[in-house]
Amino acid sequence: EAGVTQFPSHSVIEKGQTVTLRCDPISGHDNLYWYRRVMGKEIKFLLHFVKESKQDESGMPNNRFLAERTGGTYSTLKVQPAELEDSGVYFCASSQTLAGWDEQFFGPGTRLTVL
Amino acid sequence: TQLLEQSPQFLSIQEGENLTVYCNSSSVFSSLQWYRQEPGEGPVLLVTVVTGGEVKKLKRLTFQFGDARKDSSLHITAAQPGDTGLYLCAVIMDSNYQLIWGAGTKLIIKP
Repeated sequence: EAGVTQFPSHSVIEKGQTVTLRCDPISGHDNLYWYRRVMGKEIKFLLHFVKESKQDESGMPNNRFLAERTGGTYSTLKVQPAELEDSGVYFCASSQTLAGWDEQFFGPGTRLTVL
Repeated sequence: TQLLEQSPQFLSIQEGENLTVYCNSSSVFSSLQWYRQEPGEGPVLLVTVVTGGEVKKLKRLTFQFGDARKDSSLHITAAQPGDTGLYLCAVIMDSNYQLIWGAGTKLIIKP
């Protein structure tokens, strides 16, 4: 069974540009999470989808970040316009159970560098 | 201020040595998890501890949850180069199941 995949693995863009990150969760997993690790800091939660609905987006830093999960399958995270402080590694994770907590399986991350 | 403080931040030792890394907090948690992350990959769950004083073993790795459920330790016996990686602790927020993370301990085991 394929794990969580993320695309691209790396992205280098200039300040002010737009970038879209994609996450494909494990097939059948209804929960999808986005996390971010800024260099030197801990991983931080961004948001949580249950199927196609945003369950919790309390970690989204500002309105330059837009996450979608149309059809409840893959998800995209768009940053527009990108700022220098958006640089970091963006992780996606998925889990199966809707009731209670279930193990989250992580993708390899997308390393975003904003110049 | 971080909820979870991990120490040391960085540890480099020779193969065969023992080591302990720590995850501390002033808050009480219902459970705590340890993950290992290797370069170019995402974190992988190693263990979840849920009971104060609980000890779990995973081959040469021993995980302990503090009696007061505020802290945890990971002890590696006879470390091997394959143990190299970033070790992260995390707690699950009961309200929304999001994970709160420590900053990690970067471990290097030299052959």
